[in-house]
Amino acid sequence: GESVGLHLPTLSVQEGDNSIINCAYSNSASDYFIWYKQESGKGPQFIIDIRSNMDKRQGQRVTVLLNKTVKHLSLQIAATQPGDSAVYFCAETSGNKLVFGAGTILRVKS
Amino acid sequence: EAGVVQSPRYKIIEKKQPVAFWCNPISGHNTLYWYLQNLGQGPELLIRYENEEAVDDSQLPKDRFSAERLKGVDSTLKIQPAELGDSAVYLCASSARTSGNTQYFGPGTRLTVL
Repeated sequence: GESVGLHLPTLSVQEGDNSIINCAYSNSASDYFIWYKQESGKGPQFIIDIRSNMDKRQGQRVTVLLNKTVKHLSLQIAATQPGDSAVYFCAETSGNKLVFGAGTILRVKS
Repeated sequence: EAGVVQSPRYKIIEKKQPVAFWCNPISGHNTLYWYLQNLGQGPELLIRYENEEAVDDSQLPKDRFSAERLKGVDSTLKIQPAELGDSAVYLCASSARTSGNTQYFGPGTRLTVL
């Protein structure tokens, strides 16, 4: 598989623990935010999204928090599993333009 | 429902050669995107189509890159001639207004230019 993340931050967690991945975005006019998961050799996979009129949204085992004051987005993964190991990207969008942030590598230790 | 389909998955060519990538979006998705992803970075938009019209190609290096979506469904991205720096993963994505414009990505084509 490919070797990604030569310069990406890495989060290592124990299987079963909760993970928190953080992201700072740049455009205060962005109104829609998405978290993507990218496994080696695959395209980004949609995880969860949130609009700017919300500050929290929950999915299955995942929660996204949005703090517009400090332009910060976080992804919380509950009970992290080995299959969660991947690179995670946040993306912001204003209109139709999607801008990706720097990714974070999540490594789950069994 | 089938996802975004891309081919080929891998392509190795020598510099100065032409190369083309093909994308079939999710059925019913009127918007199609081509992205470039360098190693260790997030995808960067090259071009966006609304049906058959290229509505944002500001990031497409037009001296060597071209794209088309003639019938508003499949799309082809071409590089001619390829340069060493074009080695990257080329991703296609599609979206629909009825799905909140969420972009769904294909597996990408990994291009290596020697």
